[in-house]
Amino acid sequence: DAGVIQSPRHEVTEMGQEVTLRCKPISGHNSLFWYRQTMMRGLELLIYFNNNVPIDDSGMPEDRFSAKMPNASFSTLKIQPSEPRDSAVYFCASTGGSADTQYFGPGTRLTVL
Amino acid sequence: QKEVEQNSGPLSVPEGAIASLNCTYSDRGSQSFFWYRQYSGKSPELIMSIYSNGDKEDGRFTAQLNKASQYVSLLIRDSQPSDSATYLCAGRPRQLTFGSGTQLTVLP
Repeated sequence: DAGVIQSPRHEVTEMGQEVTLRCKPISGHNSLFWYRQTMMRGLELLIYFNNNVPIDDSGMPEDRFSAKMPNASFSTLKIQPSEPRDSAVYFCASTGGSADTQYFGPGTRLTVL
Repeated sequence: QKEVEQNSGPLSVPEGAIASLNCTYSDRGSQSFFWYRQYSGKSPELIMSIYSNGDKEDGRFTAQLNKASQYVSLLIRDSQPSDSATYLCAGRPRQLTFGSGTQLTVLP
């Protein structure tokens, strides 16, 4: 079975550019989570969706960040404009039904120069 | 105060020893607790979940939960070099909240 798929795996961009990260959750899972991981702050929840609807975006750092889930098999996290402090590994995770177990994708390592 | 706190370590144990990882949480409403393992450069993977007070064993791993004292621990028996990783404790008051992780090194 395919796990959570994320693309790109690595992204290097310059400050001010728009960055779009993509995630395909495990088929049949109805909850999707975006996390950011840095050495300083650890693993932080940015936003999560349930049945494609954003439920809690309180972790989104500021208006430069936005996330969408147009259907059950695809989500995007966009940063516009990007800043060097956005450099981190961004993980997408999904879970299904009432299960607590979250399955993480491989992550996107973002470097903003 | 962070919702979930872990000793950041690093923790080193010799091969074959018991590694003990600890975690405390602040929200008494938390019902579910999880231990994730994260190898360097990889994504977190779930190794144990625990919901009730007491011990839960799975192979070489034992999770312990004490809701009165608000702590969760993970014991790894017969530690192997392949257990060397960062271990993340997570609690679920509402959504999953992770601790900062404890880096474990098992020395051959």
